[in-house]
Order: sequence, then C-alpha cells, then structure tokens
Amino acid sequence: NAGVMQNPRHLVRRRGQEARLRCSPMKGHSHVYWYRQLPEEGLKFMVYLQKENIIDESGMPKERFSAEFPKEGPSILRIQQVVRGDSAAYFCASSPTGQDVEQYFGPGTRLTVT
Amino acid sequence: GQQVMQIPQYQHVQEGEDFTTYCNSSTTLSNIQWYKQRPGGHPVFLIQLVKSGEVKKQKRLTFQFGEAKKNSSLHITATQTTDVGTYFCAEPTDKLIFGTGTRLQVFP
Repeated sequence: NAGVMQNPRHLVRRRGQEARLRCSPMKGHSHVYWYRQLPEEGLKFMVYLQKENIIDESGMPKERFSAEFPKEGPSILRIQQVVRGDSAAYFCASSPTGQDVEQYFGPGTRLTVT
Repeated sequence: GQQVMQIPQYQHVQEGEDFTTYCNSSTTLSNIQWYKQRPGGHPVFLIQLVKSGEVKKQKRLTFQFGEAKKNSSLHITATQTTDVGTYFCAEPTDKLIFGTGTRLQVFP
C-alpha cells in the first residue's frame, strides 16, 4: 500500500513565479491536510480538505495561496507570485476519517524561492 | 490562540543517557499525539494518549499524559544514535496543532 505521495520533492522558483505542489493521499483516505515548515521551525497547519470541499483554511495566508482537492486527481497547493519568505518545506498528510486519528505524512516538497 | 509549548528546544546527550521532552498546553487537551521527524525527513506518528494520567510504553520510549490533560512527556531510556531527530507533540482536533518541538542530538 503506497503511502502519501508528494511531487515534486524539490522545487525552485524565482520571485513572482507560481508554485504548484501536488499530493496524493493514501489509498482509502479522503481527508487531506497541508502543513508548512519554515527552516529550523515547527509545523504549522495551513488547510484541511475533503474531496471537493475546503473544511478549514484558517492557516492559509489570505493572499496568493489556494488549495483544492478535486473529485479526481491529487490535491494541489498553489502559491502565486512567490516571495523569498515562501521558501519552506510543505508537507501533505492524509487520514481515513479526519477525527482524532493518526495522520500519515508525505515526504514533503522543499520550495526554494530565488 | 492555542499554544503548545515544548521544552527543551534542544537537547544533546551522550549515547546511553536518558532524554525527556515536555509538552505544555495553555488549554485542556482532549487527546495528544507524538510524532518524530528525522533530519531531512517527514513527521512519523508515534502514539496517541487519550486518558488522564495515561502511561504508554514502546520499547525504550515512555509516554505520559498529565492528570489535568494539560501536559505530556516523552522519555527515552538509554538513547541510541537512531533516536536523533525532532520530537513533536500535537493536539489533534480537526487538524494537528503542533508543539514547538525538541531537537535531540545523540553523540556516540
């Protein structure tokens, strides 16, 4: 059973470009979460999605960031007009039920903005 | 807002020494989870504690949930180099609220 998959693993973007990060949850999991980890810091919640629905986006910056989890295909975290401060590791996690259960994390996408 | 603090921030130990990290919340926690993140890696679930005063063991790791459900601890007996990494507690609600983490370095 494949785990949570994320791609790309490393992404380099120039300031002002767009970054698209993809996440495929574990088989049978319909709950997806995105977390951001700045260098040498902890993990911060960004957004929680179920298929075609955003459940909680309280951790998402108000501008430039968006997320989706379509009926078919992976979840996408999109960052428009990236700035240097967006450089971080972005982790996706999934769970089967979304309530007080273990979350399974993907390997992360390391975004570097030059 | 919710805050989950962990101490210490860093800990360097000699292989074979014990290690403890403490997690403190400003609010009463329903449950608490612990994760380990190896350097360059991703968080991996270790355990969930649910009951007040609960103690669970996994080989050399002992996890405890405080009586008031506002704090928790992770104790590692006789550390090994494979224990290196950052240990996070997290409050599971509809999302995970992570603690600040304790980075453990083990010297052989």
